[in-house]
Amino acid sequence: GAVVSQHPSRVICKSGTSVKIECRSLDFQATTMFWYRQFPKQSLMLMATSNEGSKATYEQGVEKDKFLINHASLTLSTLTVTSAHPEDSSFYICSAKRDRVGTQYFGPGTRLTVL
Amino acid sequence: GQSLEQPSEVTAVEGAIVQINCTYQTSGFYGLSWYQQHDGGAPTFLSYNALDGLEETGRFSSFLSRSDSYGYLLLQELQMKDSASYFCAVRKAAGNKLTFGGGTRVLVKP
Repeated sequence: GAVVSQHPSRVICKSGTSVKIECRSLDFQATTMFWYRQFPKQSLMLMATSNEGSKATYEQGVEKDKFLINHASLTLSTLTVTSAHPEDSSFYICSAKRDRVGTQYFGPGTRLTVL
Repeated sequence: GQSLEQPSEVTAVEGAIVQINCTYQTSGFYGLSWYQQHDGGAPTFLSYNALDGLEETGRFSSFLSRSDSYGYLLLQELQMKDSASYFCAVRKAAGNKLTFGGGTRVLVKP
């Protein structure tokens, strides 16, 4: 099956620091990965589309300078939350598109808590 | 804009059948996906409908009517482990992006 991993699974940081989250497709190559944010008991909100070898495409209202995305290889995308604040505390989930159909397979998520 | 509507919560007993409806309004519709998410976990892909009709995968089936902008997920022979949130998601042609509905929390009781 399609396996996507994320690291770390949980992170607690102080306000003002930066946090990097990694998303890897383990058994397939993904030219496109997606980053979502999910607040408790809410739906997944797409933040950005990460394209290998090119700039990420951000959704309206998402600050590209705050949420830095790098997709350096066909199996790795990273999301860096810069100068994190308590309101950035959330569940961050990545997904990778595997096939022509476009089915997205999700990573296990990263729970970020900013103190 | 685009929107998806699905019920917020459904409660049923083990062995029962539950149907979760999803209506959507969007431009550039390509297909409708369904995902399951247990508390604290990641969404797990269940099914995808690009064409009208019923797709059956074990105890779960999904239906799509493009003309009605409507789909549903059917959960049969409910088990306790099926207690989770279920999301419909519209896939748009451009960029393969998914837009998720608000989710339906299914609670299965003994």
